[in-house]
Amino acid sequence: AQSVTQPDIHITVSEGASLELRCNYSYGATPYLFWYVQSPGQGLQLLLKYFSGDTLVQGIKGFEAEFKRSQSSFNLRKPSVHWSDAAEYFCAVGEGGGADGLTFGKGTHLIIQP
Amino acid sequence: DTGVSQDPRHKITKRGQNVTFRCDPISEHNRLYWYRQTLGQGPEFLTYFQNEAQLEKSRLLSDRFSAERPKGSFSTLEIQRTEQGDSAMYLCASMTSGGPRVYNEQFFGPGTRLTVL
Repeated sequence: AQSVTQPDIHITVSEGASLELRCNYSYGATPYLFWYVQSPGQGLQLLLKYFSGDTLVQGIKGFEAEFKRSQSSFNLRKPSVHWSDAAEYFCAVGEGGGADGLTFGKGTHLIIQP
Repeated sequence: DTGVSQDPRHKITKRGQNVTFRCDPISEHNRLYWYRQTLGQGPEFLTYFQNEAQLEKSRLLSDRFSAERPKGSFSTLEIQRTEQGDSAMYLCASMTSGGPRVYNEQFFGPGTRLTVL
């Protein structure tokens, strides 16, 4: 069975500093990987996704993520965070075709310090 | 706005009552998913539809839960004889299916927050 681990429950970063959120997955084949962001009262919004090809993927809002098969990781990064980035971030894995839905990690709560 | 909508946004009910939630997906999307999200957790898959056919159900979906998508458009999720453990955010998502080797983006609604007293 596929699973996703986000080891950091909370992360605090100063505004303007760089950010890295960790995600490790367990999946037998080549996974379909996603990062979503959830703000209070809002639905989940897709930041970026990886299916195949270039292992460094660019997303919206200045985010990027790197797929590392050898480490089973798909870490999310941003070079300079803004106060509006404070939110809950979820890593998710899915199998081709979309059956069984997405398997999400427990999330990382990002706090931005002024 | 033509995104995914859910109704109601909040529902408070007493233990033992039945509740029904509605999801209106993006109109051209043939796939519709239901997830449940409890406090401090990520969303957990419950079930999904391709058009009007319910193709997969998670073991989380007990006999008290039933979902329908009668005309392949909107969907309803009903919980019978609610229990306090059913308190959660219920999320709906939709997408277009793209074949066995494709995983298109799922678009999520804002969710229905259920509180069972």
